[in-house]
Amino acid sequence: DIVMTQSPDSLAVSLGERATINCKSSQSVLYSSNNKNYLAWYQQKPGQPPKLLIYWASTREFGVPDRFSGSGSETDFTLTISSLQAEDVAVYYCQQYYSRPPYTFGQGTKLEIK
Amino acid sequence: EVQLVESGGDLVQPGGSLRLSCAASGFTFNDYAMHWVRQAPGKGLEYVSAISSDGGITQYANSVKGRFTISRDTSKNTLYLQMGSLRADDMAVYYCARDGCISGSCYGWFDTWGQGTLVTVSS
Repeated sequence: DIVMTQSPDSLAVSLGERATINCKSSQSVLYSSNNKNYLAWYQQKPGQPPKLLIYWASTREFGVPDRFSGSGSETDFTLTISSLQAEDVAVYYCQQYYSRPPYTFGQGTKLEIK
Repeated sequence: EVQLVESGGDLVQPGGSLRLSCAASGFTFNDYAMHWVRQAPGKGLEYVSAISSDGGITQYANSVKGRFTISRDTSKNTLYLQMGSLRADDMAVYYCARDGCISGSCYGWFDTWGQGTLVTVSS
């Protein structure tokens, strides 16, 4: 199975500042035939199910604010929140869907306000 | 509105069985692969199982293979997870999730999640 490793495990950022979360896969998730990275990001707030933020590593899901952006390719990926808002406090997960199921998630990164 | 509603979670003894259901509405159920993902208390997300849109292909995490069975009933727009030989480490909130699809092709991200149902394994 592809192992997904996120860093850091937790992060505290001031309101209005940039937050950056990293995700590394144990093998490339770039599919050469369509040049797409099979990587998604989710946000989970306490007591709620996860919410899809980004797929194809950089495509924002409909309705997701544009302060959220995804970047990276092959094995190294980043989720960036350009200007942290109070409602962004959550745990964030990356997920690969390159290999056939079972898919795998990162361990999660807890984002808090400094 | 696209909606997934899980049910069936309960307290069960180690070694016991349980069937979870996920009722889908607001979309054409037949068009989508479906998944189960679980989350142990205070822990991260763990992928459990998948079923193709026509039910012909099923896949499982190694941790549940041979003990859990995923299925779907098109006539009821419902996804199921039959769980057997339950262990303490199966205790979790179980979410059903819809596969992300574009123009009839499904890829493996999860664009819709239910609220989850709690399975407690304890004597």
